[in-house]
Amino acid sequence: ETGVTQSPTHLIKTRGQQVTLRCSSQSGHNTVSWYQQALGQGPQFIFQYYREEENGRGNFPPRFSGLQFPNYSSELNVNALELDDSALYLCASSPGQGNTEAFFGQGTRLTVV
Amino acid sequence: AQSVTQLDSQVPVFEEAPVELRCNYSSSVSVYLFWYVQYPNQGLQLLLKYLSGSTLVKSINGFEAEFNKSQTSFHLRKPSVHISDTAEYFCAVKRWASNTGKLIFGQGTTLQVKP
Repeated sequence: ETGVTQSPTHLIKTRGQQVTLRCSSQSGHNTVSWYQQALGQGPQFIFQYYREEENGRGNFPPRFSGLQFPNYSSELNVNALELDDSALYLCASSPGQGNTEAFFGQGTRLTVV
Repeated sequence: AQSVTQLDSQVPVFEEAPVELRCNYSSSVSVYLFWYVQYPNQGLQLLLKYLSGSTLVKSINGFEAEFNKSQTSFHLRKPSVHISDTAEYFCAVKRWASNTGKLIFGQGTTLQVKP
């Protein structure tokens, strides 16, 4: 059984560009959540996908969007990157939409220059 | 809305000494409570959680936390810390009976264990 894996581990982008981050959920998990963790801060909820549908969203603008695929893997897309988007992006998977068990990946460190 | 306050940003302590990391939360509805640990350049690992029942919950590596409803607190304690406990610790809450797994985190406490 594999855990939650994210790719890439590090990424550098220029302001105004677009980025796609990827997450493979743990085997048997149908729910994926994404979090943004700015330096020195706690993670902040971006959104959650359950069975390929977004079913919860935090206070992030529409340029943050996502997808979930039939195999329950997920992508986070960010358009028109801003310097403040520099952060660690964490993916968490769980076996149900309201489940209390959340397993986190190691994160993708995004730097916007 | 819910919020979480971790009262100490950094806690330095000597090896084998006891430690307490403080967490208070605010919520108009019932919540579940969690402590996560983050080692450098890694994701979050669940340390322990309170869902219901006994208000004292324990982890396999010697940490414990007690849910205090009247004080809306969920402080994390360990009677004797090791160098390997050096990490960032996050307290988090989740609404009961929510159809999302949304966790609301505090800002974190850095535990620095010195030899």
